[in-house]
Amino acid sequence: EADIYQTPRYLVIGTGKKITLECSQTMGHDKMYWYQQDPGMELHLIHYSYGVNSTEKGDLSSESTVSRIRTEHFPLTLESARPSHTSQYLCASSLYEQYFGPGTRLTVT
Amino acid sequence: KQEVTQIPAALSVPEGENLVLNCSFTDSAIYNLQWFRQDPGKGLTSLLLIQSSQREQTSGRLNASLDKSSGRSTLYIAASQPGDSATYLCAVGGYSGGGADGLTFGKGTHLIIQP
Repeated sequence: EADIYQTPRYLVIGTGKKITLECSQTMGHDKMYWYQQDPGMELHLIHYSYGVNSTEKGDLSSESTVSRIRTEHFPLTLESARPSHTSQYLCASSLYEQYFGPGTRLTVT
Repeated sequence: KQEVTQIPAALSVPEGENLVLNCSFTDSAIYNLQWFRQDPGKGLTSLLLIQSSQREQTSGRLNASLDKSSGRSTLYIAASQPGDSATYLCAVGGYSGGGADGLTFGKGTHLIIQP
């Protein structure tokens, strides 16, 4: 079983606030990913990283940013949250197979 | 741009039946293909990973096949049980300079197994 953690699990926040969604893994995987999933819709890749100091944008344009200073940690930041950012955010890591965290359900009011 | 389609979108069958979920993708230059299940309000659980050089993978009652040339994969579930009820997602991994990049997902098959 993969060990990948996301905090918070649920977050309700007002428009304009800065938020950081945390993701960490204990498997030593170099590759990490962020996906966004709107209710009833498919997952879309928004960011990925091949290792420390590597970050790439995914297929879906996102106003969020990511950083990768440590192998085990891949946080996602929204500088100014908007209602359009309301969604579920899922973090994953991989060697070959991708393992997912439990997700963060974000609601921006 | 890779597109992944899953058929059917929803399926409801009585317990004990064998069933097949279908996945098709438009670009055959894939790195791997992965099947997941997603339970309501939860993350994804990996079921099977098929590398591009493989034809099939098996785990317990699950068998997944891959035909890269035709852009198709199937997930076979034997002797279905109510605990198999979930949404099943097919996802395709593409190539990039650093190896596999992120996955492209289908919309899923929502499966209900009736007791």
